[in-house]
Amino acid sequence: DSGVTQTPKHLITATGQRVTLRCSPRSGDLSVYWYQQSLDQGLQFLIHYYNGEERAKGNILERFSAQQFPDLHSELNLSSLELGDSALYFCASSPDPRGGGETQYFGPGTRLLVL
Amino acid sequence: AQKVTQAQTEISVVEKEDVTLDCVYETRDTTYYLFWYKQPPSGELVFLIRRNSFDEQNEISGRYSWNFQKSTSSFNFTITASQVVDSAVYFCALSDLLVVGRDDKIIFGKGTRLHILP
Repeated sequence: DSGVTQTPKHLITATGQRVTLRCSPRSGDLSVYWYQQSLDQGLQFLIHYYNGEERAKGNILERFSAQQFPDLHSELNLSSLELGDSALYFCASSPDPRGGGETQYFGPGTRLLVL
Repeated sequence: AQKVTQAQTEISVVEKEDVTLDCVYETRDTTYYLFWYKQPPSGELVFLIRRNSFDEQNEISGRYSWNFQKSTSSFNFTITASQVVDSAVYFCALSDLLVVGRDDKIIFGKGTRLHILP
């Protein structure tokens, strides 16, 4: 158990809908990263937050947004969903503020299926 | 542009054999991080190692070892005396950030699927 939790584990929704994925980092970790893993695109870095501030954006679509709250949990919002958004979404946490923290601890992922 | 290439899509070896997974990267930055991650069949991602570009020393952790060579832009991963539990997809990645405050991005290779046959 990495100490990182993600909810929900599975999500099935329809095209055009909006969903919110939640991530709680390990206690004390200030950095949260979001990744998307799909068959087409492989593993992609989406966004990095450190202590509530956005640090960097990777290949994140404009339809997607994220936030890190004062209690350090993070939410990834996906809107106007398309079939191609079906993927496994991972979050990871790290005590390191830099990109690709010294050690990243991954959550179990949220599997999103858009029908 | 940054790029990570894992040319080996899939490898199968018999248990107890040694196996090396190749990773070649491209970057214009002089300071960067390289990573390896493991994704077993259960699907979770496991962070294995981070190496910064200043440190070319090889690293060994149990049966795992990593060979970083800046001259060939490679960061190869070797498993010695492989075991069935090593069966997984392994990803190599590159991050160009070493300084807080700069934009940081993490670029992944497409992964190498490793089968360890009993």
